[in-house]
Amino acid sequence: QVHLVESGGGVVHPGGSLRLSCATSGFTFGTYGMHWVRQAPGKGLEWVAFIAYDESNKYHADSVKGRFIISRDNSKNTLYLQMNSLRAEDTAVYYCGKSCSSGSCYSDYWGQGTLVTVSS
Amino acid sequence: QPVLTQSSSASASLGSSVKLTCTLNSGHSDYIIAWHQQQPGKAPRYLMKLEGNGNYNKGSGVPDRFSGSSFGADRYLTISNLQSEDEADYYCETWDSNNWVFGGGTKLTVL
Repeated sequence: QVHLVESGGGVVHPGGSLRLSCATSGFTFGTYGMHWVRQAPGKGLEWVAFIAYDESNKYHADSVKGRFIISRDNSKNTLYLQMNSLRAEDTAVYYCGKSCSSGSCYSDYWGQGTLVTVSS
Repeated sequence: QPVLTQSSSASASLGSSVKLTCTLNSGHSDYIIAWHQQQPGKAPRYLMKLEGNGNYNKGSGVPDRFSGSSFGADRYLTISNLQSEDEADYYCETWDSNNWVFGGGTKLTVL
């Protein structure tokens, strides 16, 4: 059974940094791409970043490019999102998603999310 | 890049059927999409992959009441025999090389 568990959310001041983690189990992590998707309070889903199974491709949404970095550790079955220069508009629940394939594809499993609040 | 358009809300009676629409923008009418359900206060849940020819593949445990279909640039999610637990937000998703997009979501109310 596929499980994705996000952690690392919290309250941070504008300009601060935070690193999110997504611990996975129930599938061969090292053979699937992974996503980060966020949802601001009362809003819809917004794709944030994608990483291929072997880190050969990494893509970030324009809204976070240059500030956020997606990475993974296949030996630990864990996905990461390093978030720097945080802004109030980054306040959201952040979900990790398992891609349906090793490369570009939709998410076919989701974690429960972790809340990031950027506030002074 | 692709853009997905969804109606903001829909409603239908308990036990009836409802058809939700997700429309792809010009030049992207053949794109594959995915449908996701988000019940109130919960994480999204993957429902199905839907191709332009109408073929669809559902996720694990998705009830038979959920089905998909396509016509041109429109992608549909049909829910039959509506249950109270179907009251949720429904999002479509697609992607293009290095970018993923979601529709704005449809809030379904079960009357």
